[in-house]
Amino acid sequence: ETGVTQSPTHLIKTRGQQVTLRCSSQSGHNTVSWYQQALGQGPQFIFQYYREEENGRGNFPPRFSGLQFPNYSSELNVNALELDDSALYLCASSSLAGTYGYTFGSGTRLTVV
Amino acid sequence: AQTVTQSQPEMSVQEAETVTLSCTYDTSESNYYLFWYKQPPSRQMILVIRQEAYKQQNATENRFSVNFQKAAKSFSLKISDSQLGDTAMYFCAFMRVYNNNDMRFGAGTRLTVKP
Repeated sequence: ETGVTQSPTHLIKTRGQQVTLRCSSQSGHNTVSWYQQALGQGPQFIFQYYREEENGRGNFPPRFSGLQFPNYSSELNVNALELDDSALYLCASSSLAGTYGYTFGSGTRLTVV
Repeated sequence: AQTVTQSQPEMSVQEAETVTLSCTYDTSESNYYLFWYKQPPSRQMILVIRQEAYKQQNATENRFSVNFQKAAKSFSLKISDSQLGDTAMYFCAFMRVYNNNDMRFGAGTRLTVKP
C-alpha cells in the first residue's frame, strides 16, 4: 500500500504570488486534511476535505483554499502570499472517522521572500 | 475548544534509559482519541501510539507506553530502552470522536537520545 505523497518538497515564492501544493492520499483513505507547521511549533489545522467537499476549516483566511479530486488526491492553494506563510505544509489522509489516526506525508517546505 | 499542552520543550536521555514526555489537554468531551506522533528530521509525522478515552487500559506498543489519566486530563508517553533512532520531535494530539474533522496538536517536545 502506498503512503501519502506530497509535491513539491521545497518551494520558494515571492510575496504576493500564488502557490499550489499537491497531495496524494494513502490507498483506501477518502479524507484529506491539511496542516501548517511553522518552525518550532506544532501543526495547525487548515481544513479537511471529504468526498470533494470541505469538511471543516481552521482559523485561516479565505486566501487558503483547497480541492479534492475523485481519486481523493488534494490541492492546497494559497493566494497573495505573505512572509508569514513560510512554513512546512503537511497533508494527512485518513478514513472519515480517522479513529486510527492520520497518515502524514513528508510535507512541502514553502519559503516566501 | 480543545487545547493540548506539552510543557517540556526539550528533553534528553541516555541511550538504553527510560524517559517520559508529558501532555495535558482540555476538553468537555467524554469520548475522544489521543495520539503521540514522532517527527524525525525527515519531517514525516509517524504515529507512535493511540489511546481511546473510553478504554481505561493504557496503550502499549513495544517500547512505547502511555499513562492515561482521564480525570486529570493527562496523557504521558514513556519510552523504554531509548535508542538513538528515537531522537525526534514528539507531538501529543487530541481528536474528538464526533465532529472529528480536526486533530489538535501540542507544541511538541524535542527529544535527544545521547550515546
